[in-house]
Amino acid sequence: QQPVQSPQAVILREGEDAVINCSSSKALYSVHWYRQKHGEAPVFLMILLKGGEQKGHEKISASFNEKKQQSSLYLTASQLSYSGTYFCGTVDFKAAGNKLTFGGGTRVLVKP
Amino acid sequence: NAGVTQTPKFQVLKTGQSMTLQCAQDMNHNSMYWYRQDPGMGLRLIYYSASEGTTDKGEVPNGYNVSRLNKREFSLRLESAAPSQTSVYFCASSEETSGRAFPDTQYFGPGTRLTVL
Repeated sequence: QQPVQSPQAVILREGEDAVINCSSSKALYSVHWYRQKHGEAPVFLMILLKGGEQKGHEKISASFNEKKQQSSLYLTASQLSYSGTYFCGTVDFKAAGNKLTFGGGTRVLVKP
Repeated sequence: NAGVTQTPKFQVLKTGQSMTLQCAQDMNHNSMYWYRQDPGMGLRLIYYSASEGTTDKGEVPNGYNVSRLNKREFSLRLESAAPSQTSVYFCASSEETSGRAFPDTQYFGPGTRLTVL
């Protein structure tokens, strides 16, 4: 079962902040975040591991709450280049092999 | 260093036709993956190959076959295309260092846009 992302879409003005959530019904070992610009391939942003490790990429950071089986991605002081669709990929403890299950994505549009 | 390359970039098929999507990586990665992405949707795993010589089904394997030809190449074959297979197909690869309990970063190819009429 794929993780659920919210919101499905968000529109920001340049400089504003946003939070994207990724929730799973399964106990998670790791959460992976990717960004896909329109018509392009997904690009890796960061991995968060069980243990609450928080990673950062530019002014994009994320957290992982393993008790809630949830990860949040924080877009701080958004830039025009942050526009795209953000996907979380999860690995649960019962998953066989190194497979990711991706959420449905959150579309982010940053306007000037 | 081209990363992950896919051919063709675009393809239109008629129902019942067959075709093979090609993928190659030059990063000496052990694992390779095939995903499909339907409009406005996330990525769904079709098949993956954890290492040369092995392949396993993903979430949506029906109607597809794969071949891990060597460490560099991983092909996806549609034996009898159906309109439901209209999608964008992405190939990805990752290093997958042995002993790690979680997947490595996946590097994606540019995608193949397939339309089945």
